Amino acid sequence: DTAVSQTPKYLVTQMGNDKSIKCEQNLGHDTMYWYKQDSKKFLKIMFSYNNKELIINETVPNRFSPKSPDKAHLNLHINSLELGDSAVYFCASSQKVANEQFFGPGTRLTVL
Amino acid sequence: GENVEQHPSTLSVQEGDSAVIKCTYSDSASNYFPWYKQELGKGPQLIIDIRSNVGEKKDQRIAVTLNKTAKHFSLHITETQPEDSAVYFCAADHNNNDMRFGAGTRLTVKP
Repeated sequence: DTAVSQTPKYLVTQMGNDKSIKCEQNLGHDTMYWYKQDSKKFLKIMFSYNNKELIINETVPNRFSPKSPDKAHLNLHINSLELGDSAVYFCASSQKVANEQFFGPGTRLTVL
Repeated sequence: GENVEQHPSTLSVQEGDSAVIKCTYSDSASNYFPWYKQELGKGPQLIIDIRSNVGEKKDQRIAVTLNKTAKHFSLHITETQPEDSAVYFCAADHNNNDMRFGAGTRLTVKP
C-alpha cells in the first residue's frame, strides 16, 4: 500500500493557468512537506505543515499556497503559472521534524 | 540559516570499489543527519541516518560518520554494485522546523 501518494504524476499546462497537486499520506504522520526539485536535482523545501499549522514558509512566491484539509492531506495550489515553475514537486511526511521523511513519487510539472 | 554543502557533485567508481560522499553543515544545533538515495523517476528514500549522540553507524555495506566538532558527516559505501548508481542526498535538521538538503551526488558504479 502506498504510504505517500501524489496526483497527478504528470502535469502539462500553459503559462498563466492555475493548477493543484494533491498529496495524501496514510502513515499517521504529524508533519508534511512540499519540495521543489529543479533540473539540477536540487531539493528545495517549500512548505511544511505540522498538525495542520504552517511552520515554515521559505522564500516561495505567494502564487504558491499549501492547503491542508486534514492531517493526512497537504495540497499545493499554484496560481498564474510561470515557465520557471517547471520542475518536479515532491510531497513528503514524517512523524516529527527530525525523523525519517517518506517521499511521494513526485509530480512533474511542465509549464509551456 | 542552515547551509548544507555536499561533495562531490558527481562520483564514478568501478564495481567493487568504495565510494565516499562528504557533507558539511553550518547550524551547530543540528542533531539529525539522514542520507537519502534517489533513483531515476522516484522520490528520495532514506538509506541511513545518524543522530548527534553517536559518531558512526553501519548497516551492511553502508556507513555514516559524524564529526560534530568539525560539523561534517560522510557516507561510505563499500563493495559498490551497479544498483548503487543513483543520486544521494545528505540532510541536516534546522531549527526543529525542517530538513535542509545538500545539492546531491550522482554516483555511477561501472560494471
